[in-house]
This record gives sequence, C-alpha cells and structure tokens, in this order.
Amino acid sequence: SQTIHQWPATLVQPVGSPLSLECTVEGTSNPNLYWYRQAAGRGLQLLFYSVGIGQISSEVPQNLSASRPQDRQFILSSKKLLLSDSGFYLCAWGSEETQYFGPGTRLLVL
Amino acid sequence: SQQGEEDPQALSIQEGENATMNCSYKTSINNLQWYRQNSGRGLVHLILIRSNEREKHSGRLRVTLDTSKKSSSLLITASRAADTASYFCATVPQEDSYKLIFGSGTRLLVRP
Repeated sequence: SQTIHQWPATLVQPVGSPLSLECTVEGTSNPNLYWYRQAAGRGLQLLFYSVGIGQISSEVPQNLSASRPQDRQFILSSKKLLLSDSGFYLCAWGSEETQYFGPGTRLLVL
Repeated sequence: SQQGEEDPQALSIQEGENATMNCSYKTSINNLQWYRQNSGRGLVHLILIRSNEREKHSGRLRVTLDTSKKSSSLLITASRAADTASYFCATVPQEDSYKLIFGSGTRLLVRP
C-alpha cells in the first residue's frame, strides 16, 4: 500500500532563516506530487506541483521553491523565511483523480 | 484564487441530525471531490463525483452536483460526534486536470 511521509511535524524558525521540508512517498511510481499551504482556519492553497523528476510548476510567486530530486521525493525550500510563511504545509501525491495527503508540517516563523 | 467557496463556514448540530454543506465553483470541471480534515491533520478523500453525474452515495454520505449552477452539496446523514471535522470541496478544472482547487471549507461540530 502507498504511504506518504512528511517531516518535521512541527518547526519554529526565525525570520530570515532557511527552510527545507521533505516529503517522500512509498508504494507507487512516478506519482504527481503537490505542496499546499493552509492558513489557520482556511482552505488549501496550491503552491507547487510536479509530474516528474525535475519538473516543477509554481502556482503562486513567493519566496518559496520546490525540487524533486528523486521520483518519490519532493522538497519545499526557502532561502529566507518571512513572517507570512507561517502556516500548515501539506504534501500530497496524486493517483489519477484523487490526491492522498501527508500528515503536514506546522511552521511558525517568529 | 480559490475555485470553490463553501457555506456555511461553520455548522453546529446535534448528534443524529443531518448536516448539509454547499460548495460553489467558477469554471468548468472534470470532477468535484469532498475531503475531510480533522484538526491539525492531513486531508482524507471522502467521495468524488464526475461532471456527468448528478448524485452519488457512499455510506452516510450523499453528494449532488449541478453543473448548470456550478454547485455541489454534501449531506451527512445521522451524524455522529466523530464526524466533527472540517470539510472541503475541491474541483479538478477541465483546463488542467493535474490540479485540485480547494474551497475554504465548512467546520462541522456535532454535539453529543
């Protein structure tokens, strides 16, 4: 069966520090991969998606970037965090029509 | 921008009652999906309805889709306290089938 992992679960970072969130998927090959951000009490905002290794589509211009160095690994990064980067970050993989979500990373930028 | 908008934003009902949540969207879609999120957790897929379908059932869930009005509803019958969660609709746009565009969600509280 397929599983999706995200880490860390919680992260507190100072403004201006770098960020690296990792997502890995097991049990499937060549999945579509997604990064979402969710502000408190709100819906999900699609940040990036990838249909293959090295292929990244950006949905929202901002100081975040994504990379897919391996088939089942998706990384969300920032060189310098802003206060507005605080939120709940969710990774998902897509199977035809449905997406399956990881447990999320709660990021607090102080 | 978010494709879907849901109402109500919050709903509080007694256990055993039915809960109805509505979702509206803006563009042509391939399908519409409903997801559930428990507080602080990831989302779980509940049900998918395709653009050529009008109604679908899964257990205590009933979903309707009206493409002429660009709207959908999710009905949870005989609610339980364990149904307390946030519920989101999400659409797959016809012009980009890789994406899921989420609404803002309905927070459901089922009082025991």
